Amino acid sequence: DADVTQTPRNRITKTGKRIMLECSQTKGHDRMYWYRQDPGLGLRLIYYSFDVKDINKGEISDGYSVSRQAQAKFSLSLESAIPNQTALYFCATSDLRASGMNEQFFGPGTRLTVL
Amino acid sequence: SQQGEEDPQALSIQEGENATMNCSYKTSINNLQWYRQNSGRGLVHLILIRSNEREKHSGRLRVTLDTSKKSSSLLITASRAADTASYFCATVLNSGNTPLVFGKGTRLSVIA
Repeated sequence: DADVTQTPRNRITKTGKRIMLECSQTKGHDRMYWYRQDPGLGLRLIYYSFDVKDINKGEISDGYSVSRQAQAKFSLSLESAIPNQTALYFCATSDLRASGMNEQFFGPGTRLTVL
Repeated sequence: SQQGEEDPQALSIQEGENATMNCSYKTSINNLQWYRQNSGRGLVHLILIRSNEREKHSGRLRVTLDTSKKSSSLLITASRAADTASYFCATVLNSGNTPLVFGKGTRLSVIA
C-alpha cells in the first residue's frame, strides 16, 4: 500500500461547489503539506501543518481551507470552487525528527477540474 | 515568490549523454534537495545536500552546491530514456522551521 494516499484522484466539479480533497499517510510523519501545480509554475504551497494543532498558510491560501483531523489525515477544502482553481493538487509529508532535513514524501496527486 | 529557479526550463538529449540542470536561489539555506516528477505523478526525492557540503553522489547523480553563488547543479550521467521527467530543486531556508520552497523545474527529455 502507498504510504501517502489522496482521494479522489480525479474530480470534475462546477463553479460554486464545495470540494474536499483528502490525504492520509501511514508513515507516522508529523508534518503534512498541500501544494498545487499549474503548468510552468512548479509547485506552490497552499497550507502546511507541523502537528495536529498547528496550521499555517502557505504562498497561495486564499480560497482554500484545511483541517488536520489526526496526525495521519490532512484535508483541503475549496469552499466555493472557481475555474482558476483547476490544477493538480499534491499532499506531502515529512518528519523533521527523523532526519532534520525536511525531506518530503508525496502522494499521487488529485487532478481537479472546475467548470 | 519561488526561491529556486531552475535552468534550463527544458532540455533534450540523446540516451547515453550527460544531463546538467542548474538551480539558483535567493536567500541562505539549510539544505537543498532535488526531486523528480514523472508526468502527472507525485514528486520523488532524489538527493539532499547540506549547506556545508560541496558535492554529493548517488548512483548516476552528482549534485554540487556553491553557497557563495547561491547555486546548485544536478548532473545525471549516462542518461536513459527512463530519466525523462521534470526535475525540481527545493530549498530549506536557514531561518529554521520552514517548509520546502520549490523551483519551477527543468523538463528533461532523453531520446532513445
